[in-house]
Amino acid sequence: SAVISQKPSRDICQRGTSLTIQCQVDSQVTMMFWYRQQPGQSLTLIATANQGSEATYESGFVIDKFPISRPNLTFSTLTVSNMSPEDSSIYLCSATPGAREGIQYFGAGTRLSVL
Amino acid sequence: AQSVSQHNHHVILSEAASLELGCNYSYGGTVNLFWYVQYPGQHLQLLLKYFSGDPLVKGIKGFEAEFIKSKFSFNLRKPSVQWSDTAEYFCAVNGVGGGADGLTFGKGTHLIIQP
Repeated sequence: SAVISQKPSRDICQRGTSLTIQCQVDSQVTMMFWYRQQPGQSLTLIATANQGSEATYESGFVIDKFPISRPNLTFSTLTVSNMSPEDSSIYLCSATPGAREGIQYFGAGTRLSVL
Repeated sequence: AQSVSQHNHHVILSEAASLELGCNYSYGGTVNLFWYVQYPGQHLQLLLKYFSGDPLVKGIKGFEAEFIKSKFSFNLRKPSVQWSDTAEYFCAVNGVGGGADGLTFGKGTHLIIQP
């Protein structure tokens, strides 16, 4: 298994600013992912954070808006850039310890409100 | 594109009632299937998973699910619910070998158990 810590747990931001969310795993993991959960909606995959290379984004999400870093096997960041009220969501980080295991473990999420 | 459909968005039951939550998926290939639960104020936790083999899988807290390939379904069941089962339940899918794949989630079912 893996224990995932996210910071901050919540934030209130002004329109046009950026917020960086940190995700720390207690052990080395193969894969890390970022999801968004908009109010009343399900979780939607934003991107796969690849260690040592650029993140792989899902349709509808772009690097300029959601730059992702993954400098090592236990840490990743997601930045929400040039925020608007439509970005108000819960952002979740997940990790898979091994590519063959297939089980994803989730952090508690970051609740973002944009005014 | 893959999709997951959960039939009931809100379910209210009395303690000791039986539970069945429906989940159907659309995916172009062999799948891994998951049920996650989110208790109030807590992060997403894995309830159970299906990778291969026996289509009837058992998870934590007395939950089980049955994979019916011909119906593209993975319904969650519990014979007798408890007040502590009040939570949000999400069905999710990714592809086999899918430790490298993000998950596609259903919209979730909000389950309320009345004492």
